[in-house]
Amino acid sequence: KQEVTQIPAALSVPEGENLVLNCSFTDSAIYNLQWFRQDPGKGLTSLLLIQSSQREQTSGRLNASLDKSSGRSTLYIAASQPGDSATYLCAVRPEYNFNKFYFGSGTKLNVKP
Amino acid sequence: GAGVSQSPSNKVTEKGKDVELRCDPISGHTALYWYRQSLGQGLEFLIYFQGNSAPDKSGLPSDRFSAERTGGSVSTLTIQRTQQEDSAVYLCASRGARVGQETQYFGPGTRLLVL
Repeated sequence: KQEVTQIPAALSVPEGENLVLNCSFTDSAIYNLQWFRQDPGKGLTSLLLIQSSQREQTSGRLNASLDKSSGRSTLYIAASQPGDSATYLCAVRPEYNFNKFYFGSGTKLNVKP
Repeated sequence: GAGVSQSPSNKVTEKGKDVELRCDPISGHTALYWYRQSLGQGLEFLIYFQGNSAPDKSGLPSDRFSAERTGGSVSTLTIQRTQQEDSAVYLCASRGARVGQETQYFGPGTRLLVL
């Protein structure tokens, strides 16, 4: 069974810093990987999706990379802002079961003004 | 257009009672997922519907949990004889079926508290 781990569980940084969130998965047979943002009391919003054949995806100040063979993905946030404060979750979709997505437990980010 | 909606937003119930949680997916989305998120945990897959195909129920934790999707649109998750460990946020997501429609769109969730 696929296991997804996110480290650190929580992170606090001053505004303006660049930061990296980590996601690791145990089974490299993935179809794609997604990064989501969850605000308190809200559902999840998709940020970036990386197909298994891709190495990275970028959207604005966000860059997600994927190293499928080593079972790792990183989400890079440039010039962090207080509005970036949220919980960030990664999810993998396995090759062998398109129905399921396996989620990490998230990294709770606090960007201090 | 409207996103995924869920109701109720909050539900407090007594142990042993049955509860029904509702999800209205985005119009035209044929795939629908239910997840459970316990405090400080990631999302736990519960059930998946795709069009008229038989649902994937492999994530349902016990036979007290069931779900249906009527007319390929609205879905209801039912928990019978609720237990305190059922307390969690129940999230619904929908997705289009065409190639390239990989992103899941989530509702705001139903926060269930079983006393």
